[in-house]
Amino acid sequence: GENVEQHPSTLSVQEGDSAVIKCTYSDSASNYFPWYKQELGKRPQLIIDIRSNVGEKKDQRIAVTLNKTAKHFSLHITETQPEDSAVYFCAAQNAGNMLTFGGGTRLMVKP
Amino acid sequence: SQTIHQWPATLVQPVGSPLSLECTVEGTSNPNLYWYRQAAGRGLQLLFYSVGIGQISSEVPQNLSASRPQDRQFILSSKKLLLSDSGFYLCAWSVGSEKLFFGSGTQLSVL
Repeated sequence: GENVEQHPSTLSVQEGDSAVIKCTYSDSASNYFPWYKQELGKRPQLIIDIRSNVGEKKDQRIAVTLNKTAKHFSLHITETQPEDSAVYFCAAQNAGNMLTFGGGTRLMVKP
Repeated sequence: SQTIHQWPATLVQPVGSPLSLECTVEGTSNPNLYWYRQAAGRGLQLLFYSVGIGQISSEVPQNLSASRPQDRQFILSSKKLLLSDSGFYLCAWSVGSEKLFFGSGTQLSVL
């Protein structure tokens, strides 16, 4: 089955700096890659996603890139703000429409 | 628009007691339904998923069970809770290969 590795597990940045979270997946048939943000005690919320026919997608300060050949995808957050502090999860969806999640990255933005 | 309701928000139960968590989805038909569990500070573990009424697939063998008595209703149960059942339980839904959305979660503490 699919295996998703996510790095780093924790990331601390200064407010205004950029943050990058990376994920690799194992199933070359995976075709959909969402990213979720989870604040403490809350539900994970979808913040951006990308399909395998696209290499990059951007939404204001966040962007996701996908390298199908290398089977990795990344989340980029620019001009980080304290409210970006949360746990971020990547996921990969295989041909059976099942999502496999990475282990999560705890992002801390220091003011 | 589609909404998902999950209750209760918090639950404290003694070891050996039964459990019933309920989730309902509004605004869509024949959704895929999921139960995830999240231990404190950990990732998302898929427990059960269902593609239709009465159709339940289990991802992790344990003392939990799931049922789908109606198209938009998903129930997580246990006859006797263990300490290790403590965690944040999340119901989720999707339609086909589309995005996955989570309910607000139930924080279960087994004492």
